Amino acid sequence: EVHLVESGGGSVQPGGSLRLSCAASGFIFSNFWMNWVRQAPGKGPEWVAIIKPDASGTHLADSVKGRFTISRDNAKNSLYLQMNSLGGEDTAVYYCVKDIGYKQFDHWGQGTLVTVSS
Amino acid sequence: QSALTQPASVSGSPGQSITISCTGTTSDIGAYNHVSWYQQHPDKAPKLVIYDVTNRPSGVSDRFSASKSGNMASLTVSGLQADDEADYYCASYTTTGSLVFGGGTRLTVL
Repeated sequence: EVHLVESGGGSVQPGGSLRLSCAASGFIFSNFWMNWVRQAPGKGPEWVAIIKPDASGTHLADSVKGRFTISRDNAKNSLYLQMNSLGGEDTAVYYCVKDIGYKQFDHWGQGTLVTVSS
Repeated sequence: QSALTQPASVSGSPGQSITISCTGTTSDIGAYNHVSWYQQHPDKAPKLVIYDVTNRPSGVSDRFSASKSGNMASLTVSGLQADDEADYYCASYTTTGSLVFGGGTRLTVL
């Protein structure tokens, strides 16, 4: 059974940084593109970032480009999201999601809440 | 990239069928057959119910069906059950290699 477990969320002041982690199990992690998707309170989901199976390439949404970095460690079956220069617009639940092609997501973690506030 | 357009709410009685529309552009829905639909219950993560316009993942009820015509996609839920009450989101791959979601539709089972 596929499990995705996010961690690292919390409260941070504007301009601060956080690093999210996702521990994956139940599938061959190194075979799949992986993504981060976020959902602000009361809003719909927003795709944030994607990384290739071998970590050779990434793509980020315009809203986070230059501030966020997605990475992975296939030896540890782990996905990461480094978030810098955080603003209130980044307040959301962040989900680690498994990709089945063309940014379609068949498994989601339980999410980790990031709150940016002074 | 603007969000896909969905009705804010739909409703139906148990046993009935409802359809949720999702309108995009030639840069997303109209460009590819990579439209997906997600069901989200309160305080839960979204769940994939349709991918590649019409395909159901393993374990998803065949009461869920979907289609696409031009720049518009649709999700139909037949034989409504109480547990179908949730928010539904469409999503589409785009010509820039990004992904755009709809604003979401609240399905109420009367």
